[in-house]
Order: sequence, then C-alpha cells, then structure tokens
Amino acid sequence: AQRVTQPEKLLSVFKGAPVELKCNYSYSGSPELFWYVQYSRQRLQLLLRHISRESIKGFTADLNKGETSFHLKKPFAQEEDSAMYYCALYAKSSGDKLTFGTGTRLAVRP
Amino acid sequence: KAGVTQTPRYLIKTRGQQVTLSCSPISGHRSVSWYQQTPGQGLQFLFEYFSETQRNKGNFPGRFSGRQFSNSRSEMNVSTLELGDSALYLCASSSQGEWPQHFGDGTRLSIL
Repeated sequence: AQRVTQPEKLLSVFKGAPVELKCNYSYSGSPELFWYVQYSRQRLQLLLRHISRESIKGFTADLNKGETSFHLKKPFAQEEDSAMYYCALYAKSSGDKLTFGTGTRLAVRP
Repeated sequence: KAGVTQTPRYLIKTRGQQVTLSCSPISGHRSVSWYQQTPGQGLQFLFEYFSETQRNKGNFPGRFSGRQFSNSRSEMNVSTLELGDSALYLCASSSQGEWPQHFGDGTRLSIL
C-alpha cells in the first residue's frame, strides 16, 4: 500500500526566510509525486509535478528515491505563500487515484 | 474551458438522512474521482469512475456510493448520514491516462 507522510502540521516562518516543507512516501514501484496548494477560500490546485522539474512561484521539489522524499523548497518566503500544502502520490498501477499526505499549513509572517 | 463544477456548494442535513452530491467534469474529461477532506484525516480517496464504470474504490463503508452518467457527470450518494460524515467533498476530473489534476470547489456537508 502507498503512503504519504507530511510530518509538520504547521510551519511558521518570517518573510524572506527559506522554506522547506517535508514529504516522505512509501511505495514499492515508481510513483509520480505532486505538490498541491490550497489558498484560503480557493480550490485545491496543482503546484508542482516531479516529472516536469520546473519551478512554480519560486518553489522547487526534487524527488529523492533513495530517501523516498519529495520536499518542497523556496529560498525566500513571501506572505502570499501562506496556504495549506499537500504532497500527493499517484501510482497508475493502483488505479487513478491520488494518495495525499495530511498537509502542512505554511504561515509566513511579515 | 469551464472548470470542474460541484453542486450544491453547501448542504446541511441531519443524522439518518441521505444526500446526493453532483460533479460536472471539464468538457472532454471522462475520469471523475471523489475525495473527502476533513481536518483530522486530510484528503482521502473515495472512488473513481471512467466511462460510467467504477474503477477504484477507497476504504469507505458501503453507505458511500456513486455513479457516472454517459455525459461523464458524476453523482455521489451517502445514505444514513452520521456526524462523522461532515466534510468537504471534492471532485476531480482528468482525461484518459492523466492523473486527477483539476479539482472543483467542493461541497461542504454539515451533519447536525
């Protein structure tokens, strides 16, 4: 069975500080990993996909298969980054479903 | 393209009642999946439909059921509602071979 773990429920940083949201997964095959973001009163939206290896809104995430991690990073946090962040795993062999972590609330203080 | 549309946005029910939620996917998308979002459990997969067939089901009791119509619209039904069913129910759509990436605003269900 697949599992996604986000160990921090809340991460509070000051504006301009670096941010790292942790995500670890367990899955025996080759999964696809994603980060989703949910801003206050907005719908859940895709932030990053590991396959695309791109930077969105200054965020990056690298899949580390050895450590089974997919941490989300940003060098300088902005107040508008305050939101709920979910790490998710997609494994085609397990059917078309996403397995989500429990989420980390990022609070960026001025 | 219009996004994923869920109706109604809010529902208040009492224990023992049943409820039906609706999801209209993005035009051309044939896969619809449902998720339950609660503060304690986060986002949990309910089920996924493709071309009117349920392909995958999460670990929820039989009170939770769904269906998909020929136009890809999907409904989710919960019978004999319990207080613990209070949640935000999200629907996501995708085209064939893609992961569920487009989510609706959700239906917030409150059980009194």
